[in-house]
Amino acid sequence: DIQMTQSPSTLSASVGDRVIITCRASQSISSWLAWYQQKPGRAPKLLIYKASRSESGVPSRFSGSGSGTEFTLTISGLQPDDFATYYCQQYSSSYSFGQGTKLEIK
Amino acid sequence: DVHLVDSGGDLVKPGGSLRLSCAASSFTFSDYTMTWVRQAPGRGLEWVSSISTSGDYTYYADSVKGRFTISRDNADNSLFLQMHRLRAEDTAVYYCARGPPLGILFPFDYWGQGTLVTVSS
Repeated sequence: DIQMTQSPSTLSASVGDRVIITCRASQSISSWLAWYQQKPGRAPKLLIYKASRSESGVPSRFSGSGSGTEFTLTISGLQPDDFATYYCQQYSSSYSFGQGTKLEIK
Repeated sequence: DVHLVDSGGDLVKPGGSLRLSCAASSFTFSDYTMTWVRQAPGRGLEWVSSISTSGDYTYYADSVKGRFTISRDNADNSLFLQMHRLRAEDTAVYYCARGPPLGILFPFDYWGQGTLVTVSS
């Protein structure tokens, strides 16, 4: 099974900041990586697929990069609506999620 | 707009059974794999099970293999999860999610609102 590890687990930032969340896979997953945003009491929302491709309607401040085992999600110019929990997911071999990164207001 | 509605969650005793349903609309259901993902209270997301477009192929997480059965009714645009021998650690919100079309690698692009399963005596 492929294990996904995110860092940090919690991130404190202010509106307007640029933040980076990292996701590491236990083995190469090529670019078969997605990022989701989840708000309390809501279902996850797909933001990024194939490591760097934005889902339709996702603001351009969200961007993804990486391949193999190391990936990043960057949010440039944080907006109040962006404070949420973010998960990475590999879909190269079955499916598995990272443990999540909670983005909090500083 | 694609719509998934989860239902069937309830309070059930350890060792009991429960059947979850997911009603799909506004897309060609039979063209997509479908999946159940769960989230224990205060915890992260865990993939539970997936089913192929025809229903011929099913996949399970080790934590539920042998106890849960995923199925679908393409004529009725419905997805199901039959859960047996439930344990306290199965307590979670269960989401159905749309997977990729057959033969394509893609994540879960639409999700239901979730249904809560609580396993407790």
